[in-house]
Amino acid sequence: AQTVTQSQPEMSVQEAETVTLSCTYDTSENNYYLFWYKQPPSRQMILVIRQEAYKQQNATENRFSVNFQKAAKSFSLKISDSQLGDTAMYFCAFMKHFQGAQKLVFGQGTRLTINP
Amino acid sequence: KAGVTQTPRYLIKTRGQQVTLSCSPISGHRSVSWYQQTPGQGLQFLFEYFSETQRNKGNFPGRFSGRQFSNSRSEMNVSTLELGDSALYLCASSLGEPTDTQYFGPGTRLTVL
Repeated sequence: AQTVTQSQPEMSVQEAETVTLSCTYDTSENNYYLFWYKQPPSRQMILVIRQEAYKQQNATENRFSVNFQKAAKSFSLKISDSQLGDTAMYFCAFMKHFQGAQKLVFGQGTRLTINP
Repeated sequence: KAGVTQTPRYLIKTRGQQVTLSCSPISGHRSVSWYQQTPGQGLQFLFEYFSETQRNKGNFPGRFSGRQFSNSRSEMNVSTLELGDSALYLCASSLGEPTDTQYFGPGTRLTVL
């Protein structure tokens, strides 16, 4: 079974700093997808970024970028120029194909606080 | 385009009762997945429906069930509620292909007393 591990339960940085959230996963699959989701205190889960395992190029979305190391099974999220609105729980998630169905496996989350 | 909506947003029930939660996916999305979120267990997959058929099921007891209607709206039902069923229940929708991204609703907060 696939597992996803986020080793940092909580992190705190000052506004405008850069922060990196760690995620490792365990799978024997070769084709899969990785995601970072953000859940602000209002609780709506929002997609931050997505990475296809077959792509060597790291995904980026504005201030958010990932460092995807397939051999090491590592998928970290870097937030540049952090803003107060980035305060949220961040979940790393893994998805594989399963007989055509979808199933996300989540890590335990990292609570990120951006301080003014 | 409207996002995923879930009703009700909050529910309070007592042990032994049953509850039905509703999820309306993004227009055009045919897959609906349900997740349970608790402080202790985190986010756990309940089940996924596509075109009115359950495609995948997580490791939950039979008290947890669901269905999907022809308009892709989905409901999940929990019978004989237990205190441990208190959680945030999240619904996510996607177009339905295995590679598609799931988009989440705001959740239903269920409290069992």
